[in-house]
Amino acid sequence: NAGVTQTPKFRILKIGQSMTLQCTQDMNHNYMYWYRQDPGMGLKLIYYSVGAGITDKGEVPNGYNVSRSTTEDFPLRLELAAPSQTSVYFCASSYLGVTNTGELFFGEGSRLTVL
Amino acid sequence: QQQVKQSPQSLIVQKGGISIINCAYENTAFDYFPWYQQFPGKGPALLIAIRPDVSEKKEGRFTISFNKSAKQFSLHIMDSQPGDSATYFCAASIRGSTLGRLYFGRGTQLTVWP
Repeated sequence: NAGVTQTPKFRILKIGQSMTLQCTQDMNHNYMYWYRQDPGMGLKLIYYSVGAGITDKGEVPNGYNVSRSTTEDFPLRLELAAPSQTSVYFCASSYLGVTNTGELFFGEGSRLTVL
Repeated sequence: QQQVKQSPQSLIVQKGGISIINCAYENTAFDYFPWYQQFPGKGPALLIAIRPDVSEKKEGRFTISFNKSAKQFSLHIMDSQPGDSATYFCAASIRGSTLGRLYFGRGTQLTVWP
């Protein structure tokens, strides 16, 4: 009964380093999302995917990349980390069909600090 | 541009009191309005949601009031408890859209004093 699992939970990066935040879900959801949460700013959508092989940009995609090779996994890649990418990152998934609400199921977050 | 505007940013309520959080939107295509609750160190979780064909929805101590003409909706927490202390996000989406994307407000940090 894992739901959405994110790793790592915490990470400190130096400016210019790269890393990948991992996200996997076991609910067979077709939609997956990456959000970032900054204090007082709510949740901003970075990228989303409507299914394996299909991804699209959200509100704040600059500095990030994603891929979706399987239904279960949706990794977020940070290239050339910058202090502005210090944030808490949330992965989420949902199942969208004819008869459901599209409720988002969130992971517990990955706290990233770029120094 | 913030698609959903939420206020207040923070709210302090005494135990047993009523907590009220307000949200407003502009896009009349929105037709699904959920509220998410987030405890420290956790991801947000769906609390309650409403469609615009009803003006109110109640689940236990939590009620959403919806005013379609004013393009506003609010969350009322009756008999607020210390365990309700959390950050609350309102959101909106176009349910029939293939994008399935939620637009979130900036959040309200609720503190309920015992």
